[in-house]
Amino acid sequence: AQSVTQPDIHITVSEGASLELRCNYSYGATPYLFWYVQSPGQGLQLLLKYFSGDTLVQGIKGFEAEFKRSQSSFNLRKPSVHWSDAAEYFCAVGSGYSTLTFGKGTMLLVSP
Amino acid sequence: EPEVTQTPSHQVTQMGQEVILRCVPISNHLYFYWYRQILGQKVEFLVSFYNNEISEKSEIFDDQFSVERPDGSNFTLKIRSTKLEDSAMYFCASSEAPGQHEQYFGPGTRLTVT
Repeated sequence: AQSVTQPDIHITVSEGASLELRCNYSYGATPYLFWYVQSPGQGLQLLLKYFSGDTLVQGIKGFEAEFKRSQSSFNLRKPSVHWSDAAEYFCAVGSGYSTLTFGKGTMLLVSP
Repeated sequence: EPEVTQTPSHQVTQMGQEVILRCVPISNHLYFYWYRQILGQKVEFLVSFYNNEISEKSEIFDDQFSVERPDGSNFTLKIRSTKLEDSAMYFCASSEAPGQHEQYFGPGTRLTVT
């Protein structure tokens, strides 16, 4: 069965500093990988997705993620964090049909 | 920009009562989903729905749960007899197609069972 691990429950980053959120997945076939962001009181918004091809994918709000098959990882990065990026971030893996399996999420706090 | 909407935003109910959570998916989407997130835990898949029938369901989605598309716009999740452990945030999502296509999520309904 597929699974997703986000090892960091909370991360605090200074505004303007770089960010990397870790995600490891377990899936038997080529995965579909997603990063979602959830702001308080909001739904889950898709930041970016990986299906195939270029292993470095660009998303909205200046985020990017790199798929590394050898490490079963799909880490999310941003070169310079803004205070508005404070939110909870979820990594997810999709099966070929419809189910998304989510990680437990990483809460990002941005300090001034 | 089209979005998924959910009502109510917060529902409080007593144990044993029936609740219906409502969702309006994006109008040209064909696949619909329910997920839930118990406080402090991960988002979990409940059920997917296509062409007026369930496509997939998880082990969480037992006989107490049902889904329906009663008209051309709404998609509902019914919990027949709520338990304390059903307290969670319930998210509806929709997509144009399954699999690699993005699932668009609504803002969620917080269900509190007392």
